[in-house]
Formats: sequence, structure tokens, C-alpha cells
Amino acid sequence: GENVEQHPSTLSVQEGDSAVIKCTYSDSASNYFPWYKQELGKGPQLIIDIRSNVGEKKDQRIAVTLNKTAKHFSLHITETQPEDSAVYFCAASIGTNAGKSTFGDGTTLTVKP
Amino acid sequence: DTEVTQTPKHLVMGMTNKKSLKCEQHMGHRAMYWYKQKAKKPPELMFVYSYEKLSINESVPSRFSPECPNSSLLNLHLHALQPEDSALYLCASSQDPAGGKTQYFGPGTRLLVL
Repeated sequence: GENVEQHPSTLSVQEGDSAVIKCTYSDSASNYFPWYKQELGKGPQLIIDIRSNVGEKKDQRIAVTLNKTAKHFSLHITETQPEDSAVYFCAASIGTNAGKSTFGDGTTLTVKP
Repeated sequence: DTEVTQTPKHLVMGMTNKKSLKCEQHMGHRAMYWYKQKAKKPPELMFVYSYEKLSINESVPSRFSPECPNSSLLNLHLHALQPEDSALYLCASSQDPAGGKTQYFGPGTRLLVL
């Protein structure tokens, strides 16, 4: 089955700096890659996603890049703010594999004011 | 409206109790999911309902019993749970069950089994 590895497990940055979280996946059939932000006491919330027919997607301070050949995708957060502090999960799913997403183990991001 | 609601927010139960978790969405989504999440771990898929029918059961013990009364509601009935079942239980929904569809998560029910 699919295996998703996420690095780093913890990341601490100064406010205003950039943060990068990387994920690799094993199944070349995976074609949908969402990123979730989970704040303390809340459920995961989708912040950005990318499909395999696109190499990069940006939404204000957040961007995701996908390298299908290398089977890895990354989350980039620029101009970080303390409210970006949370646990971030990447995930991968296959279009024909109904409902099943494989999650990375998560990255705890701390943004220091 | 992209909201999935869950009740209760917190639940404490004994190993002999019977309780139910509830989930609701009004986005017209036809796929609904139950996940279990332990502290500092990613969500683990338990069940998937597709058009109100159970389509995936990830070998979940029978002490967890899902139910989908209609396209907006999803329940998880709990009976004779063990302390190791203590976790955050998340409900999610997506437009349909095909892979590659965005899943919207609720805030979860934090369950403690004594």
C-alpha cells in the first residue's frame, strides 16, 4: 500500500521567516495531495491541495510543489505568523481508491514572535 | 458552508456504557468518514459511507458500530469500549467517495474511556 513520509517532525521558525515541510510517497498511482492544518483541540482543516497534473499551486502565503518523478511534494509558508503554529499533515490518495488517504506523521510548526 | 459538526465535544464513559457520537453536514456530500486520532498521530480511517451505505470498514472491532440514517447524518455507536479506545474521533465528509476529493473534517469528539 501507499506509504507517506513527512519531515521534519518538528520545526521552529522566527516570525517572518519561511517554513518548508516535505513529504515523499511511494505509490506512483497517487494523484491527489492535500495539506491539513490542525490546531490544538480542533479537527484538521484543508489549507491547500494539489493534483498530479499540476506542479505548483499558490494561495497567498502558502504554496505547494509536486515532483511526480521524485514522488515528493512540499508545503511552503512564507512570512510566517504566530497563528501559523499548529500541526501540519500531508496526505496522498489515489483517484480510484475511494475514500482512502494516507497521511504523513505530521509536523509541529512553532512560530516564535 | 463547509462545516461538519460533531456532538458531543467531550465524552467520558465507563467500559460497560453505551454511547453514541453524532456527525452532521449540510453540504450535500455523499461520502462520510469516521477517523480515530491518538495524540501526536495522524488520523486513522475507521469507516467510509458512500451514498449512505458502508463501503469501507478498516477491520474495526465490533464494539464500534457506525450508522448512516440519511445523507446528512453519521453516527458512531460505542459499546464495551476499552481504555485504549480513548482518542479524538473525527468525522469528515466529501462530495463523493471517489479518491481525490477534498475531505472536510469536523472538530472531533474527545473520548475518554475509564
